[in-house]
Amino acid sequence: ESVLTQSPATLSLSPGERATLSCRASQSVSSYLAWYQQKPGQAPRLLIYDASNRATGVPARFSGSGSGTDFTLTISSLEPEDFAVYYCQQRLNWPPLTFGGGTKVEIK
Amino acid sequence: EVQLVESGGGLVQPGGSLRLSCAPSGFMFSNYAMTWVRQAPGKGLEWVSAISGNGANTYYADSVKGRFTVSRDNSKNTLYLQMSSLRAEDSAVYYCAKVITADSLDMAFDIWGQGTMVTVSS
Repeated sequence: ESVLTQSPATLSLSPGERATLSCRASQSVSSYLAWYQQKPGQAPRLLIYDASNRATGVPARFSGSGSGTDFTLTISSLEPEDFAVYYCQQRLNWPPLTFGGGTKVEIK
Repeated sequence: EVQLVESGGGLVQPGGSLRLSCAPSGFMFSNYAMTWVRQAPGKGLEWVSAISGNGANTYYADSVKGRFTVSRDNSKNTLYLQMSSLRAEDSAVYYCAKVITADSLDMAFDIWGQGTMVTVSS
């Protein structure tokens, strides 16, 4: 099973700042990594798939990078609507599909 | 509009059964693999099960294998999750979601339902 570890658990930033979220896999997942955003009371929303491809309708301030075991989600300049929890998910070594534990981006 | 709507959640006693449904709209359902993902209150996302577009292939997390069954009726445009021998730790919001690419098992999920709550308690 590929375990995904996200860091930090919580990121306290102000609007306009840059956010850098990390996801580390216990074994290589090649580029088969996705990022989701989840706001309270809502379903997850796909942001990035295959490490660096933005999903339809996702603003350009969201970008993904990495391959193998180390991945990064970057939000170039935080908007008020970006404060949420972010999850990574791998789809190479499955079943089981696995998600990271999440990073909460909160307003400082 | 592409949409998924879950139903069937509720309160059930330990050891009981429940069947969840997921109704798609706005896309060719039979062309897409589907998945169920759950989220216990205040916790992260946990993958539960997946099924190919034609229903021939099914996949399960170890935590539900032998107790849950995923199926689909493409003629009725419905995805199901039959849950039995339910435990307290199965209590969660259950989401259905579709894969991003037709005719594939590329398990990234671009459309999610709103979720249905399952509570297992006596």
